[in-house]
Parts: sequence; structure tokens; C-alpha cells
Amino acid sequence: QVQLVESGGGVVQPGGSLRLSCVVSGFSISNYGMHWVRQAPGKGLEWVAVISYDESNKNYGDSEKGRFIISRDISKNTLYLQMNTLRAEDTAVYYCAKDHAWGEYRPYFDYWGQGTLVTVSS
Amino acid sequence: DIQLTQSPSFLSASVGDRVTITCRASQGISSYLVWYQQKPGKAPKVLIYAASILQSGVPSRFSGSGSGTEFSLTISSLQPEDFATYYCQQYNGYPPTFGPGTKLDIK
Repeated sequence: QVQLVESGGGVVQPGGSLRLSCVVSGFSISNYGMHWVRQAPGKGLEWVAVISYDESNKNYGDSEKGRFIISRDISKNTLYLQMNTLRAEDTAVYYCAKDHAWGEYRPYFDYWGQGTLVTVSS
Repeated sequence: DIQLTQSPSFLSASVGDRVTITCRASQGISSYLVWYQQKPGKAPKVLIYAASILQSGVPSRFSGSGSGTEFSLTISSLQPEDFATYYCQQYNGYPPTFGPGTKLDIK
């Protein structure tokens, strides 16, 4: 049974940092691409970042480049998102999501976690 | 980046109705389109991938069609559990992008 469980969200001041985690069970993250997707309150979905099955492809949305870092620990089957220099517009529910394939190209998301809320506010 | 538009943005319908939601891409994406259903407070769920292939476990009242730049999602006979927000997403390459969503509520 596939499960993705995010944690690490909370309230942070503008300019601050936060690290999100996503513990995965039911498959190995070394076999699939893994993504972060976010959703601002009452808004639509926005892709944030990907790490491919072999880590050869790490890619970010334009607004996250240079501020966010995606990583993983295969031994813990866990995905991470390090978020730095946070802005009010980063406030959102952050979902980790499994790629239907390797994550190198043509990504869509066949399993999602329940999400973790990040609020950037002073 | 490839932009997606959806119409309508809001749709009121009754149980048993047939409804269709349209998604248009700013450039051709072949059949690399997926449809998700999202209920309040929940993560999105895949309904249709490759524009027309039903995800395992999804009821057959859901169907998808289209290729290139114009796509549609049809629900043949609305059930109470179908009232939700529906998103299309293109996966022709990076970055993957989503449509703005169509909220389907009960008339």
C-alpha cells in the first residue's frame, strides 16, 4: 500500500527557512521520480520541484529556483524540500507526489501525500 | 511554459446530469494530459491520463478525449461524490503546468 506522509510545515517569518519531509512507504523512491507540488489557500495547483529516480535531474519552478532545494535519503525512503528566503507568496499546502515514471520527462503524479501547510507571516 | 485554460470555471449541476469540462493548451501537447479530482481538504486524485485512459479504480462514468490543444473530461451521470474541483495538467515536458480548475457543485 502506497503512502506518502509529509511533515515540517508551520509558521515562519518572511526571510526564514523551513525543511519539509515526506516519508514514503509501499515503493522505493530510488525507482521513481518524486515531486513537490503546492497549493496556496483557495487557489490552484503549482508544481514546485522534482528529483528523478537516479538524482540526475533536479528541476525547480521559476519562483523557487535558487531558494528551494530538493533532496532525498534512500536509506530512509524520504524526500525533503529545504525552503530558504521564504516569502508571503510561498504560503501554501505543500504536497509530495510520486511520478508515474522516472521523473526525467513527462511527469504526472499518481500518488500524493495529504499535504503540510506552510504559512509565511510576520 | 505551456499555459492551460479550463472552462467553465464553475459549474452547477444535478445528480444524474451529464457534464463536460474543457481544457485548452497554449501549444500542442499531443496526448500528454491528465485530469485530477480534488475534494476539499484532500489531495488531488488521478482520474484520466494520456488524455483518455481511465486510471485503475476510477468509475467508468468518467471519460476523457482530445489531443493537441483541446481536451475534455466528461462525467456521464453525476453522482453525489463527484461534486469536487477538477484540474487538468499537461506533462509534455518541464515544467508541468495545471489548469486553473473547474469547481463542480450541486444545483
